[in-house]
Amino acid sequence: QVQLVESGGGVVQPGRSLRLSCEVSGFTFSNYAMHWVRQAPGKGLEWVAVISYDGSKKDYADSVKGRFTISRDNSKNMLYVQMNSLRAEDTAVYYCARDYGYYDKLDYWGQGTLVTVSS
Amino acid sequence: QSVVTQPPSVSGAPGQRVTISCTGSSSNIGAGYDVHWYQQLPGTAPQLLIYSNNNRPSGVPDRFSGSKSGTSASLAITGLQAEDEADYYCQSYDSNLDSVVFGGGTKVTVL
Repeated sequence: QVQLVESGGGVVQPGRSLRLSCEVSGFTFSNYAMHWVRQAPGKGLEWVAVISYDGSKKDYADSVKGRFTISRDNSKNMLYVQMNSLRAEDTAVYYCARDYGYYDKLDYWGQGTLVTVSS
Repeated sequence: QSVVTQPPSVSGAPGQRVTISCTGSSSNIGAGYDVHWYQQLPGTAPQLLIYSNNNRPSGVPDRFSGSKSGTSASLAITGLQAEDEADYYCQSYDSNLDSVVFGGGTKVTVL
């Protein structure tokens, strides 16, 4: 069965960095684009970034552009997001999600990992 | 402020029908991009509920249906059940932003 498991969340000070990981199984990872979507406490869903199936195309929300970098390792079935210059407003649960196409439906989601940016 | 808007909340008695609107513009829903809907039960991750405007993934009850017209889309829940209490989000693509866009979410309460 399809599984996506995020890890790497925690408490980090403003201005510091953190890398989140998403380990996938149950499907051919290299065939699918992948997204990061976040949800601040008590708030709605906010799209963060997308990466194409082969890593050649990446797009970001304006709120994270220049600070976050999405990447993948198809040999390890792993998706990543490197988050630099973190701000309090980056505090959220971060979900990885599989894209059926590219900017298509997000048909499978992980359980999320919480990132708290606080001094 | 999301570029696609949803009502913050809707409610209904068990067995009733409720609808959730998702209003966009000519750069997203009105441009012909598909609308997808997600259900987020309390304390859990979102799950795909309706895809490509009006299609249900396997396992989703036929009480849930979607439609799209012009710059808007709607999710309908018929025969409302207590287990349908959740947050619901619409999602599309916006060509001006070149990004995925989510509606702000709608909380469904079963009275």
